[in-house]
Amino acid sequence: DTGVSQNPRHKITKRGQNVTFRCDPISEHNRLYWYRQTLGQGPEFLTYFQNEAQLEKSRLLSDRFSAERPKGSFSTLEIQRTEQGDSAMYLCASSLVRPARPLWEQYFGPGTRLTVT
Amino acid sequence: KQEVTQIPAALSVPEGENLVLNCSFTDSAIYNLQWFRQDPGKGLTSLLLIQSSQREQTSGRLNASLDKSSGRSTLYIAASQPGDSATYLCAVRFLTGGGNKLTFGTGTQLKVEL
Repeated sequence: DTGVSQNPRHKITKRGQNVTFRCDPISEHNRLYWYRQTLGQGPEFLTYFQNEAQLEKSRLLSDRFSAERPKGSFSTLEIQRTEQGDSAMYLCASSLVRPARPLWEQYFGPGTRLTVT
Repeated sequence: KQEVTQIPAALSVPEGENLVLNCSFTDSAIYNLQWFRQDPGKGLTSLLLIQSSQREQTSGRLNASLDKSSGRSTLYIAASQPGDSATYLCAVRFLTGGGNKLTFGTGTQLKVEL
């Protein structure tokens, strides 16, 4: 078990371009979360998946953002027509949740740093 | 609105000092509270998780306490070392909404000086 991995680690793009990030959770973790963190702030929740189903989306997730987890394993987060305000660290986390098991801790990946110029 | 607040925002201490980081939250109906460490430009490392039924958790030189009724948690670091320098984040999983997400504070940036 190598932990949560994210690719790429850094992405620089020009305003208006589309970008896609990938997250590979800890194997057999059924929940996967995306957060966004801007400089000097704590992470803010964007969305989460239970297996392949996207069950909750934050108001922060505008129409330009889309996330998928097609086979219930890795996930992608796409941002279309990027804006300078999208510059942030995008963090992925995973957890294992079972019926009758307390909601347990989330394990975070190293993040993808996006810079929109 | 459910919010998490951390004070102080920044702290600088000499090596060897014991210190306390504070976290407060606006709604006492929580599943659990988690303390993380974040090094500059890096992801989050989980330090301690306290369930709502627990009062404290300990790991090495770290001790986290939880007073759910007053909406407070503290992270105690004993005998601080320069390697402890990082940003410490408190995150709460609130019951409202099913507890499916963490709500973070803005963190305390700690510097331990030689």
